[in-house]
Amino acid sequence: AQSVTQLDSHVSVSEGTPVLLRCNYSSSYSPSLFWYVQHPNKGLQLLLKYTSAATLVKGINGFEAEFKKSETSFHLTKPSAHMSDAAEYFCVVREGYQKVTFGTGTKLQVIP
Amino acid sequence: SQTIHQWPATLVQPVGSPLSLECTVEGTSNPNLYWYRQAAGRGLQLLFYSVGIGQISSEVPQNLSASRPQDRQFILSSKKLLLSDSGFYLCAWSLGQSATNEKLIFGSGTQLSVM
Repeated sequence: AQSVTQLDSHVSVSEGTPVLLRCNYSSSYSPSLFWYVQHPNKGLQLLLKYTSAATLVKGINGFEAEFKKSETSFHLTKPSAHMSDAAEYFCVVREGYQKVTFGTGTKLQVIP
Repeated sequence: SQTIHQWPATLVQPVGSPLSLECTVEGTSNPNLYWYRQAAGRGLQLLFYSVGIGQISSEVPQNLSASRPQDRQFILSSKKLLLSDSGFYLCAWSLGQSATNEKLIFGSGTQLSVM
C-alpha cells in the first residue's frame, strides 16, 4: 500500500529566505511523485513531477524537489521565498495509473 | 483541448437530504476519474477512482457512493447526508493506462455545507 507523509502542517519563513517542505512516502512499487500547490480560493496546480528521468526535478516558480530513494523522501525546496508563494502544498504519490494519494498538506506562510 | 466541468460550485443541504455532484470531462476518452474531499485541516482525501465505465473503487468507508454511467461522466452521490459530509469536493481526471506519470487535472470544486 502506498502512503504519503508531509511532516509539517505549517511552515513559516521570511521573504527572501529558503523554503523547505518535507515529504516522505511509502510504496510497494516505483512510484511517480508530484507536488501540487493550492492558492486561497483557487484550484490545484501542478508544481513539478518526478518521472524517474532525473532525481532533481525543477518545477514552476523556482521550486525544485529531489527524489531520494534511500530516504524515501521527495522534499520541495526554493532558494528564496516570495510573498506570492504563500499557499498550501500537497505531496502526491501515484502507483501505476490508478491510485493517486495526497499528503495532508503543508501551509506555507511568508512573512514580509 | 481537454476540459473538466464540475457543478454546482456551492451547495447547502440539510442533514438527511440526498446529494448528487456531477463531473464531466471533454476532449479525451477513457480517462481515469477521481473524487477527492478536502476537509478543513485534513488535506485531500481520495474517495473514489474509476478506470472505466461502471468500474468504481472506493478508498474509504463512508456515506457516499460514486457512479460512472458514461465514459466521461463521474457522479458522487449520497442518499442521506450527514453533517460530517461537509467539505470541499474535487473531481479530477488523468490519462489512462499508458500514462503512468501523467498529472491530475482538477475541476473547480464544490463547497458542500450540510446543516
